[in-house]
Amino acid sequence: DTEVTQTPKHLVMGMTNKKSLKCEQHMGHRAMYWYKQKAKKPPELMFVYSYEKLSINESVPSRFSPECPNSSLLNLHLHALQPEDSALYLCASSQDGQAGQFYEQYFGPGTRLTVT
Amino acid sequence: AQSVTQPDIHITVSEGASLELRCNYSYGATPYLFWYVQSPGQGLQLLLKYFSGDTLVQGIKGFEAEFKRSQSSFNLRKPSVHWSDAAEYFCAVGARRSGTYKYIFGTGTRLKVLA
Repeated sequence: DTEVTQTPKHLVMGMTNKKSLKCEQHMGHRAMYWYKQKAKKPPELMFVYSYEKLSINESVPSRFSPECPNSSLLNLHLHALQPEDSALYLCASSQDGQAGQFYEQYFGPGTRLTVT
Repeated sequence: AQSVTQPDIHITVSEGASLELRCNYSYGATPYLFWYVQSPGQGLQLLLKYFSGDTLVQGIKGFEAEFKRSQSSFNLRKPSVHWSDAAEYFCAVGARRSGTYKYIFGTGTRLKVLA
């Protein structure tokens, strides 16, 4: 099974709402990623978790709060977002590269977020 | 600094024609190189990857890519394009940072296929 699942597929939220995006994989991967993708642009890395610990935070505003409850799940908690945060949010996973090897990432289908 | 350049923002080809998408990278060490495809509103699907060894790599959906160290290039090719190949294509290099690897993506090439 090489599938990464994401829920919900679409989300519309107001600027005062609190919502969460969920990501799940069952490939035994120990690295998981959140990306933000605006239209006609490449994905921008937001966060990386390695062995359930946050290893990279690309200076993302605190209104985005990631969480990795276990090795299969990754959440992104959203609060007080701005309209410019509207985008496709992609989750990905890979084998962990701490030993020096780089592994390809497997992407989920994304959550289309609209902030009104 | 590491970077990836895809010089062509848009490419249009006729169905059945051959295709080449260009990718140039800047990276100090031997790079880990990837090509991904993204259909509208979807996630990214890995087409192929290069880590080492044979410089001509085969991928899914009939795609191949050739690593040329002297030209810092990793161009994607397909001998005969199908209408279903219309999508956005991203080249990426794997770079190590803070003990973790991350992708550096190119800006993408949007492929249009004419019937």
